[in-house]
Amino acid sequence: GQQVMQIPQYQHVQEGEDFTTYCNSSTTLSNIQWYKQRPGGHPVFLIQLVKSGEVKKQKRLTFQFGEAKKNSSLHITATQTTDVGTYFCAVDTGNQFYFGTGTSLTVIP
Amino acid sequence: DGGITQSPKYLFRKEGQNVTLSCEQNLNHDAMYWYRQDPGQGLRLIYYSQIVNDFQKGDIAEGYSVSREKKESFPLTVTSAQKNPTAFYLCASSRQSSNQPQHFGDGTRLSIL
Repeated sequence: GQQVMQIPQYQHVQEGEDFTTYCNSSTTLSNIQWYKQRPGGHPVFLIQLVKSGEVKKQKRLTFQFGEAKKNSSLHITATQTTDVGTYFCAVDTGNQFYFGTGTSLTVIP
Repeated sequence: DGGITQSPKYLFRKEGQNVTLSCEQNLNHDAMYWYRQDPGQGLRLIYYSQIVNDFQKGDIAEGYSVSREKKESFPLTVTSAQKNPTAFYLCASSRQSSNQPQHFGDGTRLSIL
């Protein structure tokens, strides 16, 4: 199946620091989606990227799709305690989704 | 409100017993999915269905079975053949066309007695 590597697996930051998670594929992707799962909750869709080099912003969150469409990143500026959770990238192959292993973010007040 | 309902929230299974997890959606979505999530890990696809009366195996279908008799419902049965069933099970749905986001239920946590 589709291989989607996500790093880092865990990240602890002080509140106010920035955070970045990366998603990498060995094959060219048609699109990539990002989800957030709060502790004890279910994944919630954040955004989808489709175009090469695409950059989208949601308040303090910046999502980027690589020029070769093989990697993507999620950057959070000035983290807050509400950002705590696990962030997953996901690839839609047209038949099924493949999720990355996720990055668990802990924000220390 | 439209959404996905999974039940029960917690489920306990005895050795050698089959159990069925319920998933119902009123979003009018054609596609439905079952995932398994183990502690500290990502989501792994068990089965998916893109249309009523049709479903496909995902990466870890062994020991599981599904049915899709109605558009709204996609129950998952964890059979006794699944030797390590303790996990968090998530059901999701999406529109049929590609590039559509998935909407998830609240999940069912299955444990072995």
